[in-house]
Amino acid sequence: DIQMTQSPSSLSASVGDRVTITCQASQDISIYLNWYHQKPGKAPKLLIYDASNLEAGVPSRFSVGGSGTDFTLTISSLQPEDIGTYYCQHYHHLPYTFGQGTKLEIK
Amino acid sequence: EVQLLESGGGVVQPGGSLRLSCAASGFTFSSYAMSWVRQAPGKGLEWVSAISGSSDTTHYAVSVKGRFTISRDNSKNTLFLQLNSLRAEDTAIYYCAYGLSTLEYWGQGTLVTVSS
Repeated sequence: DIQMTQSPSSLSASVGDRVTITCQASQDISIYLNWYHQKPGKAPKLLIYDASNLEAGVPSRFSVGGSGTDFTLTISSLQPEDIGTYYCQHYHHLPYTFGQGTKLEIK
Repeated sequence: EVQLLESGGGVVQPGGSLRLSCAASGFTFSSYAMSWVRQAPGKGLEWVSAISGSSDTTHYAVSVKGRFTISRDNSKNTLFLQLNSLRAEDTAIYYCAYGLSTLEYWGQGTLVTVSS
């Protein structure tokens, strides 16, 4: 199985800060990567698909990059509604494993 | 508007069984693969199982293969997950999700607790 490793595991930042989360795959997954955002007590929501495409309604302060084994998710100016846990997920081949998550909090 | 509503969770003893349901609306259910993903308390997401729109293909995580069975009734727009031989480590919120490789919509989840 492909292992997905996110860093950091948790992050505390101030409103307006630039925040970057990284996701590393244990083998080349091309662009077969999604990002999800889970707010506390809620179901996850699709944020980014195919490594670089923002889901409809996702603010432009979110940007992504990477291919192969290394990927990033950046929030250019952190907002209070961005808190929660972010997960990457590959879909190169089954099983489609998730990263362990990055918990984002506001200072 | 796509809506997914899970039900069937509860408390069950180790070795017991449960059947989870997911009622879907707002899209042509039979045209899309569907998936189950679970989340143990305070933990991350774990993909569990998936099924094609026509039910001709099913997939399972190694951790549940042989114990869980995914199925669907396209006439009733409903997805199922039969959970047998339950273990303590199966305790989790179980989410149904629209899609296979990309999980575009998720239900609110149903909690399964395996405890004696």
